[in-house]
Amino acid sequence: AQKVTQAQTEISVVEKEDVTLDCVYETRDTTYYLFWYKQPPSGELVFLIRRNSFDEQNEISGRYSWNFQKSTSSFNFTITASQVVDSAVYFCALSEARNFNKFYFGSGTKLNVKP
Amino acid sequence: GAGVSQTPSNKVTEKGKYVELRCDPISGHTALYWYRQSLGQGPEFLIYFQGTGAADDSGLPNDRFFAVRPEGSVSTLKIQRTERGDSAVYLCASSLTGGGYGYTFGSGTRLTVV
Repeated sequence: AQKVTQAQTEISVVEKEDVTLDCVYETRDTTYYLFWYKQPPSGELVFLIRRNSFDEQNEISGRYSWNFQKSTSSFNFTITASQVVDSAVYFCALSEARNFNKFYFGSGTKLNVKP
Repeated sequence: GAGVSQTPSNKVTEKGKYVELRCDPISGHTALYWYRQSLGQGPEFLIYFQGTGAADDSGLPNDRFFAVRPEGSVSTLKIQRTERGDSAVYLCASSLTGGGYGYTFGSGTRLTVV
């Protein structure tokens, strides 16, 4: 079974629109980490955020915000006032207490921001 | 170096041939990881090194795949008798101590088996 599901394969928005990328995860561990990474066309995965399972506070960083809800096993990512430079593939990932060094990635959401 | 360096950036090989993919981690990073990313998919874990030893190789798909890190720095992923299904981008990452903290990824090696 998939440990991380990103149901949105591709999203297209017009610049300045808000967009939310969904991530649903599955784990039996009570201690785990959740991550978001950005993969621009260059291919390098760029770290955006890491949250641990005990911290359900939402986080905001500039135009980015993250909503972590254990009750629904979701860790959604919102970009406010999107820009063309936000165009990329975004990956959600999970690592579990049994092995924090092994990341499980979702299949990614390709975001297209049009001018 | 400033980042994780992977060479070559692209590799085309014929089915059945042997290939080596190289990863130069950030200087001083003890943990090194290999992932494989097939087209349209997220990266899949292959192997994790702590220092010179492979701490977790549970993601290697079969015995055609092997990785080494003899001096605890540069790592080489080796694939024998390549198959068309091995075509993917192979990503390397390193972190200072491991434990899921501060992964830095390289840009990957795109392997195409024809």
